[in-house]
Amino acid sequence: GQNIDQPTEMTATEGAIVQINCTYQTSGFNGLFWYQQHAGEAPTFLSYNVLDGLEEKGRFSSFLSRSKGYSYLLLKELQMKDSASYLCAVREESTGGFKTIFGAGTRLFVKA
Amino acid sequence: ETGVTQTPRHLVMGMTNKKSLKCEQHLGHNAMYWYKQSAKKPLELMFVYNFKEQTENNSVPSRFSPECPNSSHLFLHLHTLQPEDSALYLCASSQEPPRQGQHQPQHFGDGTRLSIL
Repeated sequence: GQNIDQPTEMTATEGAIVQINCTYQTSGFNGLFWYQQHAGEAPTFLSYNVLDGLEEKGRFSSFLSRSKGYSYLLLKELQMKDSASYLCAVREESTGGFKTIFGAGTRLFVKA
Repeated sequence: ETGVTQTPRHLVMGMTNKKSLKCEQHLGHNAMYWYKQSAKKPLELMFVYNFKEQTENNSVPSRFSPECPNSSHLFLHLHTLQPEDSALYLCASSQEPPRQGQHQPQHFGDGTRLSIL
């Protein structure tokens, strides 16, 4: 079956570091994505992991452990504009090709 | 400009109305998707089209009817909806399979906020 879990909400302070965790159970794993979604806007792509380890992209980093079914998104030097929902999504093989399953998202509140 | 355009942005309709949502992508992708996003729930995949052929129908009620006339356009026809259908409907596109050596995230439109009276 498919199951993606991430915390519902998190709060952090401007300038700090926050880690958003995601655990998943899936078959035919083919990569994990993180998206950012501001209220009323489209989800936008942040990062992709298919091999174990850390991918760094500026203030954002994402980590994957396939054996543990675990990923995290790390946001450094938090800014007020980082207040948004962060969606963890797993790409998996399915009949007829691939599909992407999304978690419910983590709403991050950045306070001054 | 996200490359994926959805219209209308907002739609209010009665349960007996018929309306259509439109999605257009300018990214040269071959796969398009409809998702439903309700508050505090995961994005729910509704339909997938690959090269204009429907490859996934995720047990969606027949009051939702998709149409994909070409790989750049996707419609969702709505008829006799229920109040629980009120949600944000997101369209996305991607290249499937990904071009060699690349990962291909889905690109989303801003969505249509649908309210059923």
